[in-house]
Amino acid sequence: DIQMTQSPSSLSASVGDRVTITCQASQDISKYLNWHQQKPGKAPKLLIYDTSNLETGVPSRFRGSGSGTEFTFTISSLQPEDIGTYYCQQYDNLPLTFGGGTKVEIK
Amino acid sequence: QVQLQESGPGLVKPSETLSLTCTVSGGSISSFYWIWIRQPPGKGLEWIGSIYYSGSANYNPSFKSRVTISVDTSRNEFSLKLSSVTAADTAVFFCARGSFMGGLIDYWGQGALVAVSS
Repeated sequence: DIQMTQSPSSLSASVGDRVTITCQASQDISKYLNWHQQKPGKAPKLLIYDTSNLETGVPSRFRGSGSGTEFTFTISSLQPEDIGTYYCQQYDNLPLTFGGGTKVEIK
Repeated sequence: QVQLQESGPGLVKPSETLSLTCTVSGGSISSFYWIWIRQPPGKGLEWIGSIYYSGSANYNPSFKSRVTISVDTSRNEFSLKLSSVTAADTAVFFCARGSFMGGLIDYWGQGALVAVSS
């Protein structure tokens, strides 16, 4: 199985701050990396697919980059509605695997 | 807008079989992969398996032979069966839709909490 190591596991930032989350794959997954947002008590929601493509309707403050084994997710200006947990997910190989999640809170 | 809704018992006894159904509305079940994912309380996400609308399924080896996913295109539904459950199987179970060999998960259900307890 491909292991996805996500960091940090949690962070606290102020409204307007730039937030960065990293995801490292245990082997090369090319561009096959998605990012999902899960708000408390809700189902996850796809934000970014294929490393850097924004899902329709997702605000442009969310960005993704990377390739191979190193990936980055950025919120350029943190908003109160962005609180929740963010997961990376690879689909280069089965079984699909997720990072452990990053819980984002407002300071 | 595609919507997915999980349904099934919220409580299952140890050693019995957990059964859930996902009803798809707002779109056809054809031409996509249909996925089950679980999330134990306070923990991360775990892919259980997926099925193509034609009936071809893939499962996470960690579930060994305990899991079966089936699809009913006439009812626009797909189902999960997980046998020989233990307390460790207590989780919120999500159904989801996937494209590109099932890996691009673009729609999720709200999730159903299933507790395993006697």
